[in-house]
Amino acid sequence: ETAVFQTPNYHVTQVGNEVSFNCKQTLGHDTMYWYKQDSKKLLKIMFSYNNKQLIVNETVPRRFSPQSSDKAHLNLRIKSVEPEDSAVYLCASSRLGGWAEQFFGPGTRLTVL
Amino acid sequence: AQSVTQPDARVTVSEGASLQLRCKYSYSATPYLFWYVQYPRQGLQLLLKYYSGDPVVQGVNSFEAEFSKSNSSFHLQKASVHWSDSAVYFCALSPMSNYNVLYFGSGTKLTVEP
Repeated sequence: ETAVFQTPNYHVTQVGNEVSFNCKQTLGHDTMYWYKQDSKKLLKIMFSYNNKQLIVNETVPRRFSPQSSDKAHLNLRIKSVEPEDSAVYLCASSRLGGWAEQFFGPGTRLTVL
Repeated sequence: AQSVTQPDARVTVSEGASLQLRCKYSYSATPYLFWYVQYPRQGLQLLLKYYSGDPVVQGVNSFEAEFSKSNSSFHLQKASVHWSDSAVYFCALSPMSNYNVLYFGSGTKLTVEP
């Protein structure tokens, strides 16, 4: 049963455009995350948000920015996409606290032409 | 620094056979360890996790994993695989210094042949 929802499923765009991906969780969790999964299936954390505060920010390009309106939503905006941004972006959530299980959405596949 | 290595990018087994997927980690202390599975066009799902206690942990769908501190390993095992187990399996680590972060291995694609 899906409890982490992501839209859109797919997005194709041109280099230099701005894109925004949405993520919503219905689990009542306090922390949400964005991961990037490249073409080789490699997964890397990009951001996590706890109560509207950014608590982890790995070294991602500044054109990426997370946006949260409340603890159930965490969107990802990419300003001026580059070809290397082509990937699957996975959203996840967890309760607050040590080593809590993270629940993942199905992902948004971005293709940059 | 911490890292997770899954040395086998692809594993193929016959249905009904036993399975072991290998995972080695590098971390100065005992980390929190996870195995996740990703089915096609889906997000990741947790199979099992370990931090302390019995080094053999049971997970969903009859999977289990064995932690070895001496070998810095956390191998996933299943006694008898089913075709529906075909998926990509990820080993992951959370360090004590930052328990919100998961560091993933490169994944092992499992194919179960009939």
